[in-house]
Amino acid sequence: LAKTTQPISMDSYEGQEVNITCSHNNIATNDYITWYQQFPSQGPRFIIQGYKTKVTNEVASLFIPADRKSSTLSLPRVSLSDTAVYYCLVGDLTISSGSARQLTFGSGTQLTVLP
Amino acid sequence: NAGVTQTPKFRILKIGQSMTLQCAQDMNHNYMYWYRQDPGMGLKLIYYSVGAGITDKGEVPNGYNVSRSTTEDFPLRLELAAPSQTSVYFCASSLGWADRNEKLFFGSGTQLSVL
Repeated sequence: LAKTTQPISMDSYEGQEVNITCSHNNIATNDYITWYQQFPSQGPRFIIQGYKTKVTNEVASLFIPADRKSSTLSLPRVSLSDTAVYYCLVGDLTISSGSARQLTFGSGTQLTVLP
Repeated sequence: NAGVTQTPKFRILKIGQSMTLQCAQDMNHNYMYWYRQDPGMGLKLIYYSVGAGITDKGEVPNGYNVSRSTTEDFPLRLELAAPSQTSVYFCASSLGWADRNEKLFFGSGTQLSVL
């Protein structure tokens, strides 16, 4: 059971800002929200992580509203090399393991950057 | 540092055969994970381990077994391979829980085909 909901795909042009939103209604109080990027034939790679409000690093910004039920990854001035699948990750409260937490990726958002 | 190393990169199995996917990390991470990724889909958690000697089931554990005898290694065993196990397998590690201000480091994956 996927814990997060994202758009399946998005297209953009080089130089534009791209915003990808993830819905996570059952996020736990202490959970952080983490975004990963995956290129074909590679494992996912960490992009950014946050708990609330706004976080910015050298490659992206992450916006999290006060209720934390969604988050938005912002990629400024995308280039062709940003074409990839983007995943948001939170703990999964809907699957019981009897002890520890589950970390489930959703289907991700395929971002295609066009020239 | 090598990070997370997976072997083999590719493997073809016949139905009913068994094999072990190897995963090693050199970052002294406590937590390790096995995911599978079917074509066009997100990653599903198979098993995870919070330390040597401690493992637990993820979302899709059936048909797999794991062991964690050392901090560095986390092999995944496939018994009686079935076509439904055709997938790309990713091993990952993190210092602590990846949904609480930690991040996952992924290997490059093993492409497995069961024919």
